[in-house]
Amino acid sequence: GDSVTQMEGPVTLSEEAFLTINCTYTATGYPSLFWYVQYPGEGLQLLLKATKADDKGSNKGFEATYRKETTSFHLEKGSVQVSDSAVYFCALIRYGGATNKLIFGTGTLLAVQP
Amino acid sequence: KAGVTQTPRYLIKTRGQQVTLSCSPISGHRSVSWYQQTPGQGLQFLFEYFSETQRNKGNFPGRFSGRQFSNSRSEMNVSTLELGDSALYLCASSLPGSGGSDSPLHFGNGTRLTVT
Repeated sequence: GDSVTQMEGPVTLSEEAFLTINCTYTATGYPSLFWYVQYPGEGLQLLLKATKADDKGSNKGFEATYRKETTSFHLEKGSVQVSDSAVYFCALIRYGGATNKLIFGTGTLLAVQP
Repeated sequence: KAGVTQTPRYLIKTRGQQVTLSCSPISGHRSVSWYQQTPGQGLQFLFEYFSETQRNKGNFPGRFSGRQFSNSRSEMNVSTLELGDSALYLCASSLPGSGGSDSPLHFGNGTRLTVT
């Protein structure tokens, strides 16, 4: 079945460091890919998305490129801030189904220190 | 525009009891999905409703059920609670559409259920 694999956390960085969180997926067809972020005590917020191969999603300085050849959707940010500390989830939705069923990775905790 | 509202925020129940959680979607959103979040299993899809009909269901026992009303508000019910049902239950809404690519899911802050 469809699945998403994320790098284990926690990831601890100093402010202004470069961030990469790896995400790979297994899915039939051409899924849409997403990154969601969860701050403490809150629900999930959509960070960015990409719906087809080679699309680049971007938001708030974060970027991720849909790589079909490597089935990957790695999240990157050039300079992290303390306020970026949160749990990040990679997720997919299978293309073409009449459904909003998201399949999530296990989440990666990011802790940014001043 | 108000976001997805889930009530209550916190709930404590005893094993064997039943519980009902409520979700009010963003105005105009007709698709409502429910997810369970636990430290061990992560985020798992429970079910999705669209126009009062369940159109997808995850791999959960029949103790977990849901429904959607004509105003798109949704409830989920868990009967005969078990300790393992302790989790954060998240509701998400979206506009009609397929696959989430056209209309991303907007999540509420969840209901934290503790079963003792």
